[in-house]
Amino acid sequence: GESVGLHLPTLSVQEGDNSIINCAYSNSASDYFIWYKQESGKGPQFIIDIRSNMDKRQGQRVTVLLNKTVKHLSLQIAATQPGDSAVYFCAETLPYTGGFKTIFGAGTRLFVKA
Amino acid sequence: NAGVTQTPKFQVLKTGQSMTLQCAQDMNHNSMYWYRQDPGMGLRLIYYSASEGTTDKGEVPNGYNVSRLNKREFSLRLESAAPSQTSVYFCASSDLALGDSPLHFGNGTRLTVT
Repeated sequence: GESVGLHLPTLSVQEGDNSIINCAYSNSASDYFIWYKQESGKGPQFIIDIRSNMDKRQGQRVTVLLNKTVKHLSLQIAATQPGDSAVYFCAETLPYTGGFKTIFGAGTRLFVKA
Repeated sequence: NAGVTQTPKFQVLKTGQSMTLQCAQDMNHNSMYWYRQDPGMGLRLIYYSASEGTTDKGEVPNGYNVSRLNKREFSLRLESAAPSQTSVYFCASSDLALGDSPLHFGNGTRLTVT
């Protein structure tokens, strides 16, 4: 099911530190996972993805870790910068009527202190 | 390359009025989606179209209708707006036919129903 809440979890980090954002997903049938970044007034933007046959994937300054045993996903941001301040969503993709659907988590707000 | 374009950007409606939100993508994607985003919550799927000529209900379809006009365009209609439909609406597209392609989002339509 979905998590519902009026207030987003918030992570506050110092500029230059590493950030870790965690996410629990719900469906064992999900086989593709994505992290999105959403800045104020904009739509979510793709950051990094991972398929269920992997447990780690690295991009530029970002790493995604997948633990299928406990249905847990995390996003690590190295050397966090003020421009990284945004809301981060994890998403899982699973088969659905006619194709596939993507389910989003509630999001985590990241504040980067200069 | 515009990506996903949504119009209008802002709209205020009175209860009972109708309107259509427009969405177009220029990435030749097969699948298109409408999500709504409410404060403190993730994105919830309203309707989707896995391919041209098909549409299916998502998690929260009540009060909405959609039309996949052609491969590029996917519109969302509110026949009789209600205050509960005050939200930010995002259109997205993807090549999700294989279940492993991220969503590309527009910048949203901010709708207020009074």
